[in-house]
Amino acid sequence: AQTVTQSQPEMSVQEAETVTLSCTYDTSESDYYLFWYKQPPSRQMILVIRQEAYKQQNATENRFSVNFQKAAKSFSLKISDSQLGDAAMYFCAYRSRDNYGQNFVFGPGTRLSVLP
Amino acid sequence: SAVISQKPSRDICQRGTSLTIQCQVDSQVTMMFWYRQQPGQSLTLIATANQGSEATYESGFVIDKFPISRPNLTFSTLTVSNMSPEDSSIYLCSVANRVGTDTQYFGPGTRLTVL
Repeated sequence: AQTVTQSQPEMSVQEAETVTLSCTYDTSESDYYLFWYKQPPSRQMILVIRQEAYKQQNATENRFSVNFQKAAKSFSLKISDSQLGDAAMYFCAYRSRDNYGQNFVFGPGTRLSVLP
Repeated sequence: SAVISQKPSRDICQRGTSLTIQCQVDSQVTMMFWYRQQPGQSLTLIATANQGSEATYESGFVIDKFPISRPNLTFSTLTVSNMSPEDSSIYLCSVANRVGTDTQYFGPGTRLTVL
């Protein structure tokens, strides 16, 4: 079974600085999807960014980018120019491409604080 | 992405009672899911709500404890039955627009506290 690990329970960053959140996963599959979701105190889970494993190019969404290292099974999230609104729990998630049940495997989360 | 609402947003319930949580989507979606997020923990899938048929439950979750309905393509309910304090969690509904699509979108969650 797949597992997702986030080794940083908590992180903090100064406003306008850059922070990187780590995620590693374990799988024997070659094709899959990876995601970062954000959950602010309001509890609404928001999709931040997604990556398809067969694509070598790292996904980017405005201030958010990933460093996808398939061989190392690593999928880190970089947040540039951090803003107060970025403060939230961040979850890394894995989904098998062939899983039509669409079961996500979520990591334990990283709580990000943004300091003014 | 779809707009998803859940009712109630939070509730405090007594041990032994049941609570039904509603999930409403503003457009027809193929797949709907229910997750549990225990305090300070990550998300665990409870079941996939299938329209017109019985829900598909994950290991450790049973229909008698978490009956689910999905009468149409925009609505689902999750009931937490015979509650105990261990059921205190956030319950989240999520949807996917079509089978095989990679992304799920989540509702705002229902915070349940059982006394």
